[in-house]
Parts: sequence; C-alpha cells; structure tokens
Amino acid sequence: DIQMTQSPSSLSASIGDRVTITCRASQRIGTYLNWYQQRPGKAPNLLMSTASSLQSGVPSRFSGSGSGTDFTLTISSLQPEDFATYYCQQSFSMPRTFGQGTQLEIK
Amino acid sequence: EVQLVQSGAEVKEPGESLRISCKGSGYSFTSYWITWVRQMPGKGLEWMGRIDPSDSYTQYNPSFQGHVTFSADKSITTAYLQWNTTKASDTAMYYCARDNGVNAFDIWGQGTVVSVSS
Repeated sequence: DIQMTQSPSSLSASIGDRVTITCRASQRIGTYLNWYQQRPGKAPNLLMSTASSLQSGVPSRFSGSGSGTDFTLTISSLQPEDFATYYCQQSFSMPRTFGQGTQLEIK
Repeated sequence: EVQLVQSGAEVKEPGESLRISCKGSGYSFTSYWITWVRQMPGKGLEWMGRIDPSDSYTQYNPSFQGHVTFSADKSITTAYLQWNTTKASDTAMYYCARDNGVNAFDIWGQGTVVSVSS
C-alpha cells in the first residue's frame, strides 16, 4: 500500500494567515492526489483533484501543487470557515489511501 | 441536485448482522463507482473499497475483505454495505461517496453511525 504522510498533524493559525499543508507519498504517484476538507460533524468535501484542479464552488484562496511524491495545499488567506481537518488521498493505485489528516485550528 | 442519502444510525450487539444503504439521485447512478469510507471515533478516513453499480463489480481494501460485503441494486439506485457478523471494532461512522471518474470522491453521503456494543 502507498503510505500518505501529512505535515503538520495540527496547526494553529489566525484569520488572514497564509497556510501550507504538505502531503508526502511513499512512492511516486504522478499527480493522482486529491485534497478534502472535513468540518466537525460533517462529511468530507472534495477541494482539489489531480493535485491542482480546484473543484467547482471551492474558493480560489485554495490552491494545490506538486507531483511525484511531494504535494502541498495552500490557503492564501484563512477565513473562519476554513478551520477544519484536511486530508490528502492518493488515487494512483489500490487500495486508495488517505493521509492521517491535518487539523487546522484558530490561534 | 446530485446527492447520496444514507440510512440512519444503527445500534447492534456483537455478532448481529447489519446492512446500511446509500441512495443516489440526480445523476446516472450506473455511470460512477460508489466508494465506502470508514471513520472510527476521533480518527481519520479509511478507504474500504468500491462497487460499480452497473454490474456490481467490487474492489475491496484487503484490510476489510472478508468482513464486509458491498452490493448494489441499480433499479432503485442504492448501494449497500453489509456485515454478516458485527464486532465492537466496527463502531464507526461510515460514508459512501461517488467516485467521479478521475478517482476523486466528489459527492458524499451524510454518513451512517454504527455502534456495536453488548
């Protein structure tokens, strides 16, 4: 199985901050990398697919980059609704695997 | 509106059987795989496997194979996740999600809470 490792596991930031979350795959996965946001008590929501393709309806302050083994999700200016847990997920091979999550908290 | 609606919360005793459902609407149900994801209390997301509703072909995560079964009834646009014998360790939230064709999960059900306890 491909292991996905996110860093940091948790992060405190303020409204308006620029935040970057990193996801590393245990082997090369091209750009077969997706990002999800999960707010407390809610189902996950797809933010980004194929590393950098923003889903319809997702604010443009979210961006993704990377290929191979190293990927990043950046939020350019944090808004109150962005405080949530973020997961990366590889779709390169079976079984699909998720990172352990990054919990973004208000400082 | 494209949506997946899951069945309600379940409380079971260990050893009981269980089936939860996921009904799709607003799109061609047979054109997209349905994936199942487990989230244990306070933990992250785990991919359990997926089913192609057009022919009920399944792919399981080896970590779950043999303990759960996926099925689908395309006539009523519903996918199912089934346990023949539940265990306390099955206590979790279970989500179904649509695989959008580029292997991302773009539509999610609201989740079904399963609690297994004696």
